[in-house]
Formats: sequence, C-alpha cells, structure tokens
Amino acid sequence: EVQLVESGGGLVKPGGSLRLSCAASGFPFSTYSMNWVRQAPGKGLEWVSSISSRSSYIFYADSVQGRFTISRDNAKNSLYLQMNSLRAEDTAVYYCAGSQLVPVDWFDPWGQGTLVTVSS
Amino acid sequence: EIVMTQSPATLSVSPGERATLSCRASQSVSSNLAWYQQKPGQAPRLLIYGASTRATGIPARFSGSGSGTEFTLTISSLQSDDFAVYYCQQYNDWPPSFGQGTKLEIK
Repeated sequence: EVQLVESGGGLVKPGGSLRLSCAASGFPFSTYSMNWVRQAPGKGLEWVSSISSRSSYIFYADSVQGRFTISRDNAKNSLYLQMNSLRAEDTAVYYCAGSQLVPVDWFDPWGQGTLVTVSS
Repeated sequence: EIVMTQSPATLSVSPGERATLSCRASQSVSSNLAWYQQKPGQAPRLLIYGASTRATGIPARFSGSGSGTEFTLTISSLQSDDFAVYYCQQYNDWPPSFGQGTKLEIK
C-alpha cells in the first residue's frame, strides 16, 4: 500500500521554528520528486516547495523562500521541511506529495497532512 | 504566475445527475492540467492529469476535457461519495498553481 505519513506539526510562536517529516512506503521513493503543499484553514491549496529525486534541484514558493528548507533522505525514505522565522500566515495543514518531475508536475500520492499553527 | 479560476464556487446537484465544473487559466497551459477531489478532513486525491487522463482507480464517470485556457471536469452520474471540493491545478509553468476550488453539494 502506498503511504505518506507526515509528522512534526504543532503550535509554535511567531518567529519560531518547526521541522516537518514525511515517511514514505509502498512505492519507489528514491525515484520520485517530492513536494510540500499547504492549505490554510478553510482555504485552497498552495504549493510550497519541491525537491528532485536525488536532491539536485530544489524550488520554493516566493512566500517561503529564505525561511524554509526542503531536504530528503532516500536511505530512510523520508522527506523533510525545516521551517524558520514562522509567521501567522504560515498556519496551515502541510501535505507531502509525490510527483514525477520538478519543477512542475501533477501531485500523486499525498499524505494525510500535519497541522502547523503559528500563534502567540 | 498563472492564475487558475474555477466556477462556480458552489454547485448544487442531485444524486444521479450530471455535474460540470469549469476551470480557466490566465494564460495557456496546453494540456498540463490536473483535477483533484478533496473530502472534509482528507488529503486531496488525484482524479485527472493531462487534462483528460483518469488516474489509476478513478471511475469512468469522471471525465476531463479542454486545452489551452478552458477546462471542464464532468461527473456523469453523481453518487453520494462524489460530493466534495474539486480543485484544478496547472503544471505548465512554474510555479504550479491551483484554482480556489468548487464545492459540489447535494441538492
């Protein structure tokens, strides 16, 4: 069974940091590009960041450039998102999702998401 | 950035009827258009890619059409499980961008 399981979300104060993880199983993780997509409460979907299968290419949305860092460990079938200098507008459910290509492609599969709340 | 606009924001349809959802791109995205279904509390699920190719396991009642700037998702005979929010997404140009969603509700 294909599975992506995110973890690491929680409540953090503005200016704080958080590291999200995504554990993959059931598909050849090391051959997939991976992505983070977020969804603010009651809002639509927003692409955040992408990383190619061997970490050669990395892309960020302008809204997180310089604050977020995407990485992966293919030996551990894991994807990460280090989030620094968090702002209230970063509050969202963060989904990890696979794709075949970077910097643009459709997204499949998806994890169930982890909620990040930035509030004092 | 390419802006994706979906219409209507909310669509009320009776079970068994046909639903037609629209998605417009601010500039041509060729056929590089995907559709997703999202139910409350769940992750999005890929339905369609390449504007008209159904993803693995997606029932034949879901069909996509269009190219360039105008796209349509059609659900031929609505079942209770189909009432959800639907998003389109372009992957022709960076950054990838989503529409704001269409909520399909039971009439």
